[in-house]
Amino acid sequence: GAVVSQHPSRVICKSGTSVKIECRSLDFQATTMFWYRQFPKKSLMLMATSNEGSKATYEQGVEKDKFLINHASLTLSTLTVTSAHPEDSSFYICSAIVGRTDTQYFGPGTRLTVL
Amino acid sequence: DQQVKQNSPSLSVQEGRISILNCDYTNSMFDYFLWYKKYPAEGPTFLISISSIKDKNEDGRFTVFLNKSAKHLSLHIVPSQPGDSAVYFCAASAANTGNQFYFGTGTSLTVIP
Repeated sequence: GAVVSQHPSRVICKSGTSVKIECRSLDFQATTMFWYRQFPKKSLMLMATSNEGSKATYEQGVEKDKFLINHASLTLSTLTVTSAHPEDSSFYICSAIVGRTDTQYFGPGTRLTVL
Repeated sequence: DQQVKQNSPSLSVQEGRISILNCDYTNSMFDYFLWYKKYPAEGPTFLISISSIKDKNEDGRFTVFLNKSAKHLSLHIVPSQPGDSAVYFCAASAANTGNQFYFGTGTSLTVIP
């Protein structure tokens, strides 16, 4: 079955540094990848939608200069949290779909802690 | 391979009837399970959860059942309402994995008025 991986699974960094999170579809080509942030009440907030070879579409309220998304290939999307601050500490999850479908393949998430 | 599976991509139910969404998992270390509801263009919203020490958790019209021996959980919605039409994802985590979440691929529920 289709698998999506995320790397790293957890990262601790100092305030002001940048952190890159990778999302890979391991055995399929994803036409679209999504990036979510999990909030304390467990719901996932959609941050952006990423299509291979084009600019990501960011949701309202998400700073595109702070959360840089690059979808370099059909199997890889990266989220870079620039100049991270403690309030950016969260659980970031990606997902991938093929074509127009409700079926989403989620990655296992990356726990970011900014000191 | 997928550690959490939702084998039914879609389900249609008449309004007022019971909706049963199923989820299977393979990792016996999972000890916490969640159901999410997702509308188009939005992120999944947390619906209900259950820990492995329980076999049932109820919240209003929503009940989650956990069968650890079968590695199976289900979400029951009764009575179903048209507003319940959405994609439902189950997810699982294990304390020893730093609470990483493993999601199923979703079941699209349509409640017919």
